[in-house]
Parts: sequence; structure tokens; C-alpha cells
Amino acid sequence: DPKIIQKPKYLVAVTGSEKILICEQYLGHNAMYWYRQSAKKPLEFMFSYSYQKLMDNQTASSRFQPQSSKKNHLDLQITALKPDDSATYFCASSQPGLGQDTQYFGPGTRLLVL
Amino acid sequence: GDSVTQTEGQVALSEEDFLTIHCNYSASGYPALFWYVQYPGEGPQFLFRASRDKEKGSSRGFEATYNKETTSFHLQKASVQESDSAVYYCALGETGGADRLTFGKGTQLIIQP
Repeated sequence: DPKIIQKPKYLVAVTGSEKILICEQYLGHNAMYWYRQSAKKPLEFMFSYSYQKLMDNQTASSRFQPQSSKKNHLDLQITALKPDDSATYFCASSQPGLGQDTQYFGPGTRLLVL
Repeated sequence: GDSVTQTEGQVALSEEDFLTIHCNYSASGYPALFWYVQYPGEGPQFLFRASRDKEKGSSRGFEATYNKETTSFHLQKASVQESDSAVYYCALGETGGADRLTFGKGTQLIIQP
């Protein structure tokens, strides 16, 4: 059974619209993350949450808003979509500890903005 | 800021060849170092990690040794198989909870039968 579920797998949106990317993890972890991967850039960190609190935000645009409604959920709301937002978005999770945690990744949501 | 450099964008080998993918990093202190592998249409999969100088990480026949002196964590495998074809990412993470991973650009490994 998949341990990290991302929905939908594929998403096509029009410029200016708003979408929510869903992430649920069943690893019992207390930290969750979002990363983005595009043709132009390698895997790029966006946000991290620990115990449902925002820990780090490397996304310059406020159009990207993570939402943690439950301990094992971290959704990503993207507003006013632009073609440059086209990428694969990966959710990851880890268990915070004394050292750097090992992060485990979901299968990704491929977003295409037309 | 922290950075990871993978010098090879693509490596093409034949089955049973010896593999080396180079990874060098720039960071303060003692970051943890990771290797991830990504297959088409999937998310990155954790391969292994090392957290201190001279520590060796290994999994599935792959291995790498943390070298603080040369700031390197090169991936090696003695005998590659066609099923090893994938993209390999070196990454580093600072100590502490819920810290970001900084990834290299990735190396596409192509194994010809």
C-alpha cells in the first residue's frame, strides 16, 4: 500500500485559476514538506511543516499556500496560476529527530498550466 | 548558501561496468548527505545516507563514503545492471528537525544490455 498519497496524479489548469494539491502520509511522521521539480530546475524545496507548524518557507510568492488540516495532511493551494508554475510537485515526510531526518517522497502531482 | 554539485549530467555504461557518480557539496558544519534514485514517473526514492566524516552508506550494491576533507560523497557500484537505469540525486540536509534538503541537478544513468 502506498505510504504517501498525492492527488491528483495529473492536473491541467488554465492561467489565472486556482488549484489544490492533496498530500496524505501514512508513515506516522510529524514533519511534511513540498518540493517542486521542473525542466528548468532540479528538485527545489518549497515548504516544511513540523507538528502542523510552518518551519521554513523558500517560496517567494504568496500564491503558494500550504494547508495542514490534519496531522498527516499537507495540501498545497496555488492561486492565480501561471504557465511557469507548470512542474511536478512532490510531497515528502519525515520523523523529526536529533539529526537530519530522512525524507520519503510521494509519487508527485504533475501540473500543467495553459 | 548550501549547494550540491553533480558533475555528470549523464553516464552511459554497459552491464557489469563499474559506476562512479561524483558529488561534491558546500555547506557549513556537518550536514547529512543522501543519495536518492528516481525512476520515470515516480518520486525520488531514498537510497542511503551518511551523517559524519568517513561514514559509509550503502544499499542495493551502491555505496558512498562521507569525506569532509574533499567535501565529497561519490556514488559507486561495482557491477551495474540494466535495472539500475534511473536518475540519481545527491542531496544534503542540515542537522535539526524538518530541515530542507538541497539537491544536486541529478545524473541520468543509462545502462546498455
